[in-house]
Amino acid sequence: DQQVKQNSPSLSVQEGRISILNCDYTNSMFDYFLWYKKYPAEGPTFLISISSIKDKNEDGRFTVFLNKSAKHLSLHIVPSQPGDSAVYFCAASDYNYGQNFVFGPGTRLSVLP
Amino acid sequence: NAGVTQTPKFQVLKTGQSMTLQCAQDMNHEYMSWYRQDPGMGLRLIHYSVGAGITDQGEVPNGYNVSRSTTEDFPLRLLSAAPSQTSVYFCASSQDETQETQYFGPGTRLLVL
Repeated sequence: DQQVKQNSPSLSVQEGRISILNCDYTNSMFDYFLWYKKYPAEGPTFLISISSIKDKNEDGRFTVFLNKSAKHLSLHIVPSQPGDSAVYFCAASDYNYGQNFVFGPGTRLSVLP
Repeated sequence: NAGVTQTPKFQVLKTGQSMTLQCAQDMNHEYMSWYRQDPGMGLRLIHYSVGAGITDQGEVPNGYNVSRSTTEDFPLRLLSAAPSQTSVYFCASSQDETQETQYFGPGTRLLVL
């Protein structure tokens, strides 16, 4: 049973609009979350993180929201750009588990010009 | 800096063959990891190392061996390849356990016939 779920395998949005990527987790011990972006034929690259002591973290066009009671986080990209087209992975970790993150299956975002 | 390099980029093996996937980093990172990515699934941790001479198992270690004789190199050995090991393998390194600074290599695509 997957502990980290990204239920939308793909998402298409128009350039300039908001992209919202969702992630749900089942393990209540998870307290640190990351988003990675991956282009084809490349390794994932770190995008943004959030710890459980916060409910929002912002970095430029990217904002991650965490709802601990719902075990849900989301990544907002505003405004979306064609260069944002990639696969986005959500990952979660229990601090006591060290660096062993559990990854979701990813959501492929396509930003249409 | 080359970052994290992986060789080969692509490999075809027959069932029962052995091989070593190479991974090297030039950032003097202590933490290194190996992941596999299968269709519809997130990255799963195979083995990791917190420093030279220290390795530990991740989520899916069976069929794989690792060693860490130097800070720079972290090879992954398949002892007797099986079709279930067909996957894309990513090596990663990070300078601390929070993994915000984790860097991934470009991946090795392995096909076991």
